Amino acid sequence: NAGVTQTPKFRVLKTGQSMTLLCAQDMNHEYMYWYRQDPGMGLRLIHYSVGEGTTAKGEVPDGYNVSRLKKQNFLLGLESAAPSQTSVYFCASGLQSYTFGSGTRLTVV
Amino acid sequence: EDQVTQSPEALRLQEGESSSLNCSYTVSGLRGLFWYRQDPGKGPEFLFTLYSAGEEKEKERLKATLTKKESFLHITAPKPEDSATYLCAVQPIGNQGGKLIFGQGTELSVKP
Repeated sequence: NAGVTQTPKFRVLKTGQSMTLLCAQDMNHEYMYWYRQDPGMGLRLIHYSVGEGTTAKGEVPDGYNVSRLKKQNFLLGLESAAPSQTSVYFCASGLQSYTFGSGTRLTVV
Repeated sequence: EDQVTQSPEALRLQEGESSSLNCSYTVSGLRGLFWYRQDPGKGPEFLFTLYSAGEEKEKERLKATLTKKESFLHITAPKPEDSATYLCAVQPIGNQGGKLIFGQGTELSVKP
C-alpha cells in the first residue's frame, strides 16, 4: 500500500538549473495535484490534472510546467529555478479526501 | 473570494487540557470542509470531511463540527502524540477539478 510516492525527497539547485519532480500513485485516482507549502502561506495549488493527458493551472503556476502522460504519474518541472521556488512540494491524489505524498524539500541557491 | 482562516496559529496545551481549534471560511457555496493532520517532515493526513451545517464527526479524542461560517476541531483530553499541525480546507461548489483551498494551519503542542 504505497499510496503516493514522491521523488526525490531533498534537492538543492543553483539558480537557473532545471529539474523534474516525480509523483506516482497506485490508487487508480483520476485527480492529481501539485502544491507548495511555505511558512505562513499554507498549501497553495500549482497545477492539477483531472485525468491522463490533461493538466490545468492552479493558484501559483508561474515558473512551473507539468505533464500527465500516464494515469499513475504526475510530473512537475522547473525549467529555470529561482530562489523564490525554494519550498516544500507536495503531490496529492484523489477527489476530496486527498492522499498526500511525503514531500520534496527544494532549496534554490 | 474564497478564503479559509485558522486560529490560533499555535496552541500549547498540557496533557489532558481540552481545547478547540477554529476554521473560519468564506465561500460562495460549500461542497465540503476537510480537516488534515500534518506531522513535521511529512505530508498531510486526512482526518474528516463535513458537508453540511450541524454535521459532526469523531475520531478518538478529536471531534469536528460545522456551521455555515466556521468549523471547530475539538480535542478532548489531548495526549503528547496529538501534537501536530492541523489543516482545514474547503472545496467550493462548482470548483473544477476537486481543488481544495487550505488555511494556514494551527500548530498544536501537547506537553506531558
